[in-house]
Amino acid sequence: SAVISQKPSRDICQRGTSLTIQCQVDSQVTMMFWYRQQPGQSLTLIATANQGSEATYESGFVIDKFPISRPNLTFSTLTVSNMSPEDSSIYLCSAHDSINEKLFFGSGTQLSVL
Amino acid sequence: AQKITQTQPGMFVQEKEAVTLDCTYDTSDPSYGLFWYKQPSSGEMIFLIYQGSYDQQNATEGRYSLNFQKARKSANLVISASQLGDSAMYFCAMRDAVPTDKLIFGTGTRLQVFP
Repeated sequence: SAVISQKPSRDICQRGTSLTIQCQVDSQVTMMFWYRQQPGQSLTLIATANQGSEATYESGFVIDKFPISRPNLTFSTLTVSNMSPEDSSIYLCSAHDSINEKLFFGSGTQLSVL
Repeated sequence: AQKITQTQPGMFVQEKEAVTLDCTYDTSDPSYGLFWYKQPSSGEMIFLIYQGSYDQQNATEGRYSLNFQKARKSANLVISASQLGDSAMYFCAMRDAVPTDKLIFGTGTRLQVFP
């Protein structure tokens, strides 16, 4: 099974700053996904990150606010830019294990914006 | 549009008993996948079980089994012999049609296991 290392696990940030979250997969994967989970809510997909092309953003999410990098088949970053308290959420990355049908998640980043 | 519905915001079960968490879905795509994840208070998403739309048998993984009723579009999770450590949020999710692989999540069910 694929293992995804995500960091930081949590952070407290000031309004107006940016935070970059990293995810490292222990095997090559075609697609990686970034989700947001607002307090007490379910998960919402932010974007799909493909290696070698621009990320595909879901409705309501834009590249200027959530720039994503995918430099190779095992790594991706999500930046939360110009943060406000409304960005306080858990951010999770996930990847599809091509050996089976499982989609695995990183351990999540709990972000609090003051 | 694809949709996942979990109608139980919270469930209680006594230790060692079995519990069923409900999930219904809606899709017009003949090929899809259904997942259950556990989210403890630490926030990580733990994969529990997967059912493919063409799988003939219900999926099982240890104490977890998926009661897949295709005609009714339901994919209920059954946890047998509940343990105190099973207390968590449980999310049902459906995979979008290949090749996107993105997941659509239900609103979740909070399960509390009491001694």
